[in-house]
Amino acid sequence: NAGVTQTPKFQVLKTGQSMTLQCAQDMNHEYMSWYRQDPGMGLRLIHYSVGAGITDQGEVPNGYNVSRSTTEDFPLRLLSAAPSQTSVYFCASSSDRNGNTIYFGEGSWLTVV
Amino acid sequence: AQSVTQLGSHVSVSEGALVLLRCNYSSSVPPYLFWYVQYPNQGLQLLLKYTTGATLVKGINGFEAEFKKSETSFHLTKPSAHMSDAAEYFCAVTKSWGSGGSNYKLTFGKGTLLTVNP
Repeated sequence: NAGVTQTPKFQVLKTGQSMTLQCAQDMNHEYMSWYRQDPGMGLRLIHYSVGAGITDQGEVPNGYNVSRSTTEDFPLRLLSAAPSQTSVYFCASSSDRNGNTIYFGEGSWLTVV
Repeated sequence: AQSVTQLGSHVSVSEGALVLLRCNYSSSVPPYLFWYVQYPNQGLQLLLKYTTGATLVKGINGFEAEFKKSETSFHLTKPSAHMSDAAEYFCAVTKSWGSGGSNYKLTFGKGTLLTVNP
């Protein structure tokens, strides 16, 4: 079972570059979300989606863009990378709105220099 | 608003000793509560969760947690620590979100790093 797949696992970007973190799930889940993890901060929600064509902002959305054209995919775009976006990014999906059963991807380690 | 407080960013125990990681939440309604573990350079793994029913929840690797509504706590325990338990542990609670509060998001604590000494 693939579950939630994130790519790339590691990436180094220069300030100002753009890139897309890919997230795909094969469980037909409606709910997907992106979190970033920073030391001492836990995980913070960036953007989330409750179904294809529907997205909304989380706690820390600035500098990021998302779209949800299909149920399976939920890419996260960094528009113009900044050193403050150096972080570990996690994609998650769930079949229910209460987060009772949530699956996380393996994470994407991003460094912006 | 719901938030999660983990008391102690770093806990150190000896191998074989009791592990106690503390988590308190603020919530106006009974929440769903979770504990996740993260080993170095890896993703998150669900240890256990409380949704409804029995307030003492048993998870993987010998961990358990008790939901105490009166204390708004969900502390994680393990009777005897192993070296392999060294990791970072996150407590999380679901929070209603979005228009009309009809959806959820997980709110995480800031994490507790557990080290186990030989």
